[in-house]
Amino acid sequence: GAGVSQSPSNKVTEKGKDVELRCDPISGHTALYWYRQSLGQGLEFLIYFQGNSAPDKSGLPSDRFSAERTGGSVSTLTIQRTQQEDSAVYLCASSLRWDNEQFFGPGTRLTVL
Amino acid sequence: QKEVEQDPGPLSVPEGAIVSLNCTYSNSAFQYFMWYRQYSRKGPELLMYTYSSGNKEDGRFTAQVDKSSKYISLFIRDSQPSDSATYLCAMSQINNNDMRFGAGTRLTVKP
Repeated sequence: GAGVSQSPSNKVTEKGKDVELRCDPISGHTALYWYRQSLGQGLEFLIYFQGNSAPDKSGLPSDRFSAERTGGSVSTLTIQRTQQEDSAVYLCASSLRWDNEQFFGPGTRLTVL
Repeated sequence: QKEVEQDPGPLSVPEGAIVSLNCTYSNSAFQYFMWYRQYSRKGPELLMYTYSSGNKEDGRFTAQVDKSSKYISLFIRDSQPSDSATYLCAMSQINNNDMRFGAGTRLTVKP
């Protein structure tokens, strides 16, 4: 079956612009995660959605970052007023439940000029 | 000090070699230990999963956890060029979805 998909695969933007990154999780998966992967760094947790519960936003680095998950499925990560330090690969993962294996998408490579 | 430390490499070995990848951690509450493999331009995929201490073997791969030393290892026997990837360790606590990842070790297996 289809895995986790993310779009766009690559995004180049200018400093100060807003960007939206999309994640389509595996159908039926109730948990959805966003991570950031910078060069030479491990995956940094950003935000977690579980069903209809309030999301865990504890990993968001600043108030320029926000995310939504509509209808318990598709999720959008928005970065406002992008900065050069936001350049990274943004990975989305989903799992059947919070304690099951996470399946990752291919990521969106964001470059802020 | 990072919660999970992993040497980023790069590590280059000849085909057929035994590869040893390692992570150390500081949080004694970690109980679940995982190794992910990430090919270039792809997302990580779960390779091995271990609960608490001990060894787990799956084909050419063996995962070891030493909780007393806060040290985990992944061994790859008879390494193949197709094993060339970045290997990330990850760990989490019981009843906690918050996974902590190492920086990843980039491995190249040369034919």
